[in-house]
Amino acid sequence: QKEVEQNSGPLSVPEGAIASLNCTYSDRVSQSFFWYRQYSGKSPELIMSIYSNGDKEDGRFTAQLNKASQYVSLLIRDSQPSDSATYLCAVYSGGYNKLIFGAGTRLAVHP
Amino acid sequence: SAVISQKPSRDICQRGTSLTIQCQVDSQVTMMFWYRQQPGQSLTLIATANQGSEATYESGFVIDKFPISRPNLTFSTLTVSNMSPEDSSIYLCSVEDPGGGLYNEQFFGPGTRLTVL
Repeated sequence: QKEVEQNSGPLSVPEGAIASLNCTYSDRVSQSFFWYRQYSGKSPELIMSIYSNGDKEDGRFTAQLNKASQYVSLLIRDSQPSDSATYLCAVYSGGYNKLIFGAGTRLAVHP
Repeated sequence: SAVISQKPSRDICQRGTSLTIQCQVDSQVTMMFWYRQQPGQSLTLIATANQGSEATYESGFVIDKFPISRPNLTFSTLTVSNMSPEDSSIYLCSVEDPGGGLYNEQFFGPGTRLTVL
């Protein structure tokens, strides 16, 4: 079983729609969760971090965490073509004492 | 967050040679990390570098192949030794920042794109 799982996509959404990106993790003791955005040829950029159950909003981005279900998601409202990128879910694994990345979901926002 | 730079940004090397990648941070940080991102893949941690101690390597990575130096709190190097085409990847350094909260956040440098012929 992979430690952090994401659908590879591509996830294609029309401009202005809500993009929903999902991630599950296996380490029950994980306490911190992150979403990174990576444009092609660039390094990952941290866009959201979440530590408590529930929702955390920052502009057009909302991260959602459900520790009981070991599930974290990222919603992007009013999607723009500039949001087209690979989104990496990362979980700080207490068991391994390191940040573990999912394979990433490629998002394509079309005009 | 800290500003991180890496040198070189890209290089093309011949098999059997070695390349040293530099990572410079604009503030003092305790933990620095080196990752590899193979084409079309996600990030894999190579090692954690703390100043004043030996780097801690992840399973599948060894010091002879990827020696790391951490001479001070703002600088680290990763050497890719005796390269083969399988070493063609993006190599990224990252640092931890408290982010003003209980949990540390990691921020990445721009990466070094390595092609081995």
